[in-house]
Amino acid sequence: TQLLEQSPQFLSIQEGENLTVYCNSSSVFSSLQWYRQEPGEGPVLLVTVVTGGEVKKLKRLTFQFGDARKDSSLHITAAQPGDTGLYLCAGGMNRDDKIIFGKGTRLHILP
Amino acid sequence: SQTIHQWPATLVQPVGSPLSLECTVEGTSNPNLYWYRQAAGRGLQLLFYSVGIGQISSEVPQNLSASRPQDRQFILSSKKLLLSDSGFYLCAWSVGWAEAFFGQGTRLTVV
Repeated sequence: TQLLEQSPQFLSIQEGENLTVYCNSSSVFSSLQWYRQEPGEGPVLLVTVVTGGEVKKLKRLTFQFGDARKDSSLHITAAQPGDTGLYLCAGGMNRDDKIIFGKGTRLHILP
Repeated sequence: SQTIHQWPATLVQPVGSPLSLECTVEGTSNPNLYWYRQAAGRGLQLLFYSVGIGQISSEVPQNLSASRPQDRQFILSSKKLLLSDSGFYLCAWSVGWAEAFFGQGTRLTVV
């Protein structure tokens, strides 16, 4: 059973377009993070959200945590080729528990 | 500041040979430690995680084992490698369920 479902699995769009990727669960998470991974490297943390309804912005990236803390979204405005990569969401339910990862959304921005 | 060291970066091993990948963390105490494997173009598969010295949880049955001989040292081992053990191995640490920080990864090719 996959606790964190990410959609879509793959997304290929033209430079300049907007996009949203999703991370959904039937469970409540205390903390949810988004990472980006480039080929041959480890994932790098982009943002952490902990409060239901929280919205965080990182330049052209907007992250939202659902009110019920069961889902999250990542919106990219005016995508650029440098945004290409694997986007992973991850979360923790209990303070002493392990972090759970989704399977990721592979994003490809065409120049 | 905290850092994580994972080595080697690449490894080519014959089938049936042993394996030892090492990961060490600096700058934090009693971290949660993780070993992940990632197939090409895919998400992260959690292999092992540890919340303390000598405490190892295995997520999937496999040809691999893990050990944590010291607080900030996590070792991934195999007595006899299989072709199916090839992949990209990532070590990570976290403080509880908070964000994970990854090493640079080891590309293992079993031939």
